[in-house]
Parts: sequence; structure tokens; C-alpha cells
Amino acid sequence: DQQVKQNSPSLSVQEGRISILNCDYTNSMFDYFLWYKKYPAEGPTFLISISSIKDKNEDGRFTVFLNKSAKHLSLHIVPSQPGDSAVYFCAASAPNFGNEKLTFGTGTRLTIIP
Amino acid sequence: DSGVTQTPKHLITATGQRVTLRCSPRSGDLSVYWYQQSLDQGLQFLIQYYNGEERAKGNILERFSAQQFPDLHSELNLSSLELGDSALYFCASSAQNEQFFGPGTRLTVL
Repeated sequence: DQQVKQNSPSLSVQEGRISILNCDYTNSMFDYFLWYKKYPAEGPTFLISISSIKDKNEDGRFTVFLNKSAKHLSLHIVPSQPGDSAVYFCAASAPNFGNEKLTFGTGTRLTIIP
Repeated sequence: DSGVTQTPKHLITATGQRVTLRCSPRSGDLSVYWYQQSLDQGLQFLIQYYNGEERAKGNILERFSAQQFPDLHSELNLSSLELGDSALYFCASSAQNEQFFGPGTRLTVL
């Protein structure tokens, strides 16, 4: 049962344009959502997060939007740069008294075309 | 650099063998999480330790075990290895909501 889904395995975007990565979840207990970026041969790097009490969080070129009614979140990267080429994982956690284990999606490989 | 270290970086072994993966969390972090990433899959949560005690278990096989020592480093022990155990194994540490991942150990079982 995949509780966090990233339905697009890959995405190609022209440099300078907006990249939009999508994520859907099924577990209504999730209250915290994160995006991680992963380069080959490295561990995932935390990018940005959002609590379920918000619907938007922005950090520089990265913005995460949360639509709780649709159980959907998205990551916007604008403008996209070649260094953004990586695999992006969406993750979610539910409150559990100190066990905030992350449930990950399967990732979307983003390729920025120069 | 996340501040989380993992050794070894690569491990090649044979079926039936036993290996130990090591993780040192970021300074001050009490929680350590272990995840497995198989080919083209997302990361699957295995187990969490908090300040030396097991806090939660995920999809961890009985052949796998872990512990966290008084200095807060953690070890993941994998025994009776099978071909399907070949994967990337990541550990992460956290103080609050964000988890910070180490570079991973790539295990290849031949």
C-alpha cells in the first residue's frame, strides 16, 4: 500500500522555466510533509517542508503547496537551474510521540535542459 | 554535508553472510532512523532508535537487527543475506521534524 505517491517517474524542464513536481498521499493522519533532493551516490538532502496547518511555504526558488482536501502537494522550482537535476522525493510523517518516521514516495527524476 | 556519517560506503558479500553497517548521527541528535532503498524504489523505513532505545519498527526483516550505543552511534546488522537484500541503506538523524541523511551504504549480495 503506497501511502505517498509520485506518479511521474521523470520530468524534463527547460532551464529558466518552472519545474512542478507533484505528490499525492492517502493517509489523512499525515501532518508534516517534506521534499528531499537526491544526487547519485549521495544521501537525500532536505529541501523544504510544510506543516498541515499551512498551505504554502516558500524558501528562495522553492515553494511547496499543500492542498489538504485533495491530499496533494507540489514543489515548484523557479527558475529551474541545471544543478536542480536530481531525483526528488516527497515524504510525509504523522504525529506519533517521537517516532516521526518518514513515508517516502518513489521519487521523480528531474532533468533540467540547458 | 549533512553531518551524518555512514561506513562503509560500499560492501560486497555473498549470500548467507552477515554484515554490520555503521552510522554516526549529527552532533546532539538523539534519534537515528534506518531506511532501505532498493532499485528504483523509494526509501522504506526499517527501524528507529532514540537515545539508545528502540522506538519504532517498520518493514524490517527478522534477519535484520539494530542497536544504538551510549555514544549514540548506531549499527544495523544484516544476517543470512539473500540476493534481494542488495540495496542502499541510509541512516538519518533528527532533532525535530526534519531528518538528515547520511551518504548511505551500498550493499551488494552476490
